[in-house]
Amino acid sequence: AQSVTQPDIHITVSEGASLELRCNYSYGATPYLFWYVQSPGQGLQLLLKYFSGDTLVQGIKGFEAEFKRSQSSFNLRKPSVHWSDAAEYFCAVGAAITGGGNKLTFGTGTQLKVEL
Amino acid sequence: EPEVTQTPSHQVTQMGQEVILRCVPISNHLYFYWYRQILGQKVEFLVSFYNNEISEKSEIFDDQFSVERPDGSNFTLKIRSTKLEDSAMYFCASSRGEADTQYFGPGTRLTVL
Repeated sequence: AQSVTQPDIHITVSEGASLELRCNYSYGATPYLFWYVQSPGQGLQLLLKYFSGDTLVQGIKGFEAEFKRSQSSFNLRKPSVHWSDAAEYFCAVGAAITGGGNKLTFGTGTQLKVEL
Repeated sequence: EPEVTQTPSHQVTQMGQEVILRCVPISNHLYFYWYRQILGQKVEFLVSFYNNEISEKSEIFDDQFSVERPDGSNFTLKIRSTKLEDSAMYFCASSRGEADTQYFGPGTRLTVL
């Protein structure tokens, strides 16, 4: 069964500083990987995804993530954090469902705090 | 930009009562999902629905749960007899293709008293 580990529960960075959120996954085949962001009281918004091809993927709001198969990682990065980036970030791995669809397994999330 | 909508945004119910959570997926999407997030915990898969039937369900999705697509636009989750531990945020999601991005609704917060 697939699983996702986000080792950092909370991270605090200063506005303008760089950011890296860690994600490790376990999955038997080539994974579909996602990063979602959740602001308080809001739903989940997709930041970026990896299906295949270029291992460095660009997303919205200036985020990027790099798929490293050898390390089973899909870390999220941003060169300069803005105060509005404060939110909870979820990494997820998708697994095909026999009857149709794709089941997402989420990590426990990383809460990002941005200090002004 | 099309989006997934969910109603109500917050539902309070008594233990043992039935609740129906409603979702309107994006109109040309074919795959539909329910997830839930208990306060402070991770988002968990409940069920996937394709071609008018359940394609997979988790062990959480027991006989008290059911899903339905009663018409061409709505997708519902019914909990027959709610328990305290059903209190959670329930998210609906949809995707166009099997491996495509799942777009999530804003969620329904269910509180069981």
